[in-house]
Order: sequence, then C-alpha cells, then structure tokens
Amino acid sequence: GAVVSQHPSRVICKSGTSVKIECRSLDFQATTMFWYRQFPKQSLMLMATSNEGSKATYEQGVEKDKFLINHASLTLSTLTVTSAHPEDSSFYICSAPGLLGNTEAFFGQGTRLTVV
Amino acid sequence: GDSVTQMEGPVTLSEEAFLTINCTYTATGYPSLFWYVQYPGEGLQLLLKATKADDKGSNKGFEATYRKETTSFHLEKGSVQVSDSAVYFCALIRTGGFKTIFGAGTRLFVKA
Repeated sequence: GAVVSQHPSRVICKSGTSVKIECRSLDFQATTMFWYRQFPKQSLMLMATSNEGSKATYEQGVEKDKFLINHASLTLSTLTVTSAHPEDSSFYICSAPGLLGNTEAFFGQGTRLTVV
Repeated sequence: GDSVTQMEGPVTLSEEAFLTINCTYTATGYPSLFWYVQYPGEGLQLLLKATKADDKGSNKGFEATYRKETTSFHLEKGSVQVSDSAVYFCALIRTGGFKTIFGAGTRLFVKA
C-alpha cells in the first residue's frame, strides 16, 4: 500500500525556537495532505489541510501564524511550529488521502514534540 | 456536521474475554467507516474498514459491520489478548470526501 513517511519521530526543542516536521508521500503524489494534533489521551483533531501550490486551509481556532504549512511539491508537506511554547507539546500526525474518495487515508508515523 | 461517537473508556478486560466497543456516526449519504488502532507511543494503523451498508470489515480477529439503519459500526473480538491493549479509534470519511473524522478513542487494557 501507499506509504507516508513523517520525520522526525521525536523532537525536543527550547521555548521560542521553531521546529519543522516533514511529511512525504513515498510512492504516490498527494495534492492534499492533512495535519492532525493529538493531546495526551485524546483524539486526533484536524488542524489544517495542506494543498499543493496554494495556501493551506486551517480549521477554526488554529493559529495560522503559529503553525506554518507549506506544500512545496506533490510529495512533501511541512508543518513548522514557530516560536514554540510548552503548550505546543503534543503528538502531530500527517496523512494523505486515498487515491479515490472515501478510501482510507495513509498516515505518517507521527511526531512527538516536546517543548522545554 | 459529520461526527463519530464512541463509548468512553478505558475498557479493562481479562485475556480471552469478549470485546465490544460501540461506535455510532452522523453523516449524510453513505460514508466509509474505519477502525484504527494506536499502540502506546506509536502512530495509527488501519485495523479494518467498510465502505457500504451491511459490509463487514475484519482483521486479526476483529470485526465490525456497517449498519445503516442504526448508523453504527461496533468493533468486536471474540477473545482478546494482552497484545490487543491499545487505543481504538472509530472514524469516517464522508461520501465524496477526503477528510478523516475521528471519534474520541477508546483505551483498552487487557490483563493476563
């Protein structure tokens, strides 16, 4: 099946710094990718939809300037957490939709971000 | 809007017990339904899926049937193992859509 690779799997950064998370579709092209955030012991909340060649679409309540999304190519989307604070510590996971509508999405392995 | 409701956990069972995790959904049309599993410290794995009414998805002893009349997709397993301890998420993708909408997740603990 299709593979989505997310990197890094874990990152620790200092408050005030920025962290970039990459999401790559390895054997297929993805014009759209999704970014989710998961707080401890909670569900996955959609943060934004990344669109190749155009601006990302953010869900209500998600700060665009804090969570910068770039979809530079048909196989790469990046999420940059800017000026990170401890409350940004979370598990971030990306996904690419299936090749046809209604089919399952392909998820990356997730990135655990810890801001100290 | 579309939504998924799962039974609250945690669910604690002894090994070889029968498992049911309830899931109901709200969506227009005929969404595709999924169960995902997340083991501690890991990402999501697709466990099973069903794309139309009365379909039964099954994998690794788990199964779930798409019930349009009750808008449900309950997860069942006849005999759980310690290795099944994980968080289980029910999810849907609406007709013609691409976004995955997740339920809150149900944590399962299986004791030896």
